Amino acid sequence: EVQLVESGGGLVKPGGSLRLSCAASGFTFSSYSMNWVRQAPGKGLEWVSSISSSSSYIYYADSVKGRFTISRDNAKNSLYLQMNSLRAEDTAVYYCARAAAGMTADYWGQGTLVTVSS
Amino acid sequence: DIQMTQSPSTLSASVGDRVTITCRASQSISSWLAWYQQKPGKAPKLLIYKASSLESGVPSRFSGSGSGTEFTLTISSLQPDDFATYYCQQYNSWWTFGQGTKVEIK
Repeated sequence: EVQLVESGGGLVKPGGSLRLSCAASGFTFSSYSMNWVRQAPGKGLEWVSSISSSSSYIYYADSVKGRFTISRDNAKNSLYLQMNSLRAEDTAVYYCARAAAGMTADYWGQGTLVTVSS
Repeated sequence: DIQMTQSPSTLSASVGDRVTITCRASQSISSWLAWYQQKPGKAPKLLIYKASSLESGVPSRFSGSGSGTEFTLTISSLQPDDFATYYCQQYNSWWTFGQGTKVEIK
């Protein structure tokens, strides 16, 4: 069974940092690109970042470029999102999601809540 | 950036109704369009990919159509489990989601 489990969310002050993790199981992690998508409270879905299966290609939404860094460790079946210079508008549930080549997200984690507030 | 516009934002319907949601892209995305269902406090669930392909395990009452810039999601006979929010998503160039359509009980 495919499982994606996010962790690392919490309350952080503006300007602070947080590192999210996503532990994957039940599939060959190294064969899939991985993605972060966020959802602010009561709002819609916003793509944040994508990383290819071998980490060769990395993309970011303009709203997080220069502040967030996506990475993965295929040996540990894990995806990460390092978030720096956090702002109130980064408050959201952050989901990790896998995508096969040429496909969109077919499995999502349950999400982890990040709250940026003083 | 490609913008996705869904309509309506809210839809009131009854069990058994035929429901149609529309999604428009700001430029052609060929058939790189997906539909997701999301219930409160849950992750989105993939229903349709490549505009009209039904994801495994999704009931056949869900169907998708369209290409280029105009797409539709149709639920042929609304069931109690279908009351949720639906999002379209383009994956032609990065990912962009529509603003969502909440399907509520009439």
